[in-house]
Amino acid sequence: DGGITQSPKYLFRKEGQNVTLSCEQNLNHDAMYWYRQDPGQGLRLIYYSQIVNDFQKGDIAEGYSVSREKKESFPLTVTSAQKNPTAFYLCASSFGPNRGLNTEAFFGQGTRLTVV
Amino acid sequence: AQKVTQAQTEISVVEKEDVTLDCVYETRDTTYYLFWYKQPPSGELVFLIRRNSFDEQNEISGRYSWNFQKSTSSFNFTITASQVVDSAVYFCALSEEWYGGSQGNLIFGKGTKLSVKP
Repeated sequence: DGGITQSPKYLFRKEGQNVTLSCEQNLNHDAMYWYRQDPGQGLRLIYYSQIVNDFQKGDIAEGYSVSREKKESFPLTVTSAQKNPTAFYLCASSFGPNRGLNTEAFFGQGTRLTVV
Repeated sequence: AQKVTQAQTEISVVEKEDVTLDCVYETRDTTYYLFWYKQPPSGELVFLIRRNSFDEQNEISGRYSWNFQKSTSSFNFTITASQVVDSAVYFCALSEEWYGGSQGNLIFGKGTKLSVKP
């Protein structure tokens, strides 16, 4: 089955630690995205990548880092510099700008990160 | 600047009632795309519909229908004869055209939480 897989589903982090969230897709999508969702809020864009080995900051990139070494994978690292990392993190993918009209983005099931 | 407003934070209805979720958007582009997503308690966002700015035809899919009006910058979503399984958070989103260097990313509203009671 094609789709987006995020892992783990739940993650606990001690203050001062870096932690990496995994996102893998087998939809042959060019573009991948990371969003953060806080209670009662919409989704805010952290980072996005339109092609391999290239990525751009979104609206709230401070304290986060990403890599895009493979088309299928777009891991997100939450660093100790992120002041308030407790949130629900969603990864998404879509066909990129070279495929014509904007297509819908497909989302993973999310990772709930809690700082303890 | 792009913006999506979903003024209804929470709506509660009784099963079989019709319910409309409002979405108002702002954009300077003439070409853009509008989306609705459903987020059930499991957390995953489920795609419902995409509408291009040059296509103002309303759409019906089963109990779901969408009303797109460029004159009022609105893209409202109606569920007819609501069911308990419709309980979820619904997000409206906007995306502008891909240009060289443009993001083309989704801008989300804050969502409307729909509770359908039996």
